[in-house]
Amino acid sequence: QSVLTQPPSASGTPGQRVTISCSGSSSNIGSNTVNWYQQLPGTAPKLLIYTNNQRPSGVPDRFSGSKSGTSASLAISGLQSEDEAVYFCAAWDNSLSGLWVFGGGTTLTVL
Amino acid sequence: QITLKESGPTLVRPTQTLTLTCTFSGFSLNTSGVGVGWIRQPPGKALEWLGINYWDDDKRYSPSLETRVTITKDTSKNQVVLTMTNMDPADTATYHCARVYDSSGYYFFDYWGQGSLVTVSS
Repeated sequence: QSVLTQPPSASGTPGQRVTISCSGSSSNIGSNTVNWYQQLPGTAPKLLIYTNNQRPSGVPDRFSGSKSGTSASLAISGLQSEDEAVYFCAAWDNSLSGLWVFGGGTTLTVL
Repeated sequence: QITLKESGPTLVRPTQTLTLTCTFSGFSLNTSGVGVGWIRQPPGKALEWLGINYWDDDKRYSPSLETRVTITKDTSKNQVVLTMTNMDPADTATYHCARVYDSSGYYFFDYWGQGSLVTVSS
């Protein structure tokens, strides 16, 4: 059971726009920034979005992030076959002595 | 180019201590704002944060694991070591190390290792 809640799966056709949600609480997303990662099978997770909506250099602008209240979203526009991967969100949680929490991951299928 | 790679045993017996090493390149753990953390993922389950060792040797651990986990660094060797005691089959997971970076006061994991699968079984 993950602290941050993501849908287990999402899908879209090439060229479509898809969004993946990440729901948390006041102790994590509600008071801290959200980061998004992409993980292809057998590879290391790759940072896609940091501090809610910033893209590292090299990440296409097809990927965008947003946050509102205790939820965040990752949007992928102009969907491509190589976008097929697992996406997960992460945020710092202020509860107890503090800890990083993650979403359970969303498997994106490009139909 | 920043890389991190985990190494260590693939099989550990119950009650034993796990020691994993993260060897990194492309950055220094002497740099302010930088740290290396450990995150694990049991098969079919979500990621779980274990802890972080920062550039100033400040260490933070997951409250649920802090009695079992120790993370140390050897800056001269560019290595960070995870030690986890009293291993249990429930600790079977892929263990990742990742760099923590400070961007204007906001921390995030920006580079990850591919992970090392550790199975706990007798």
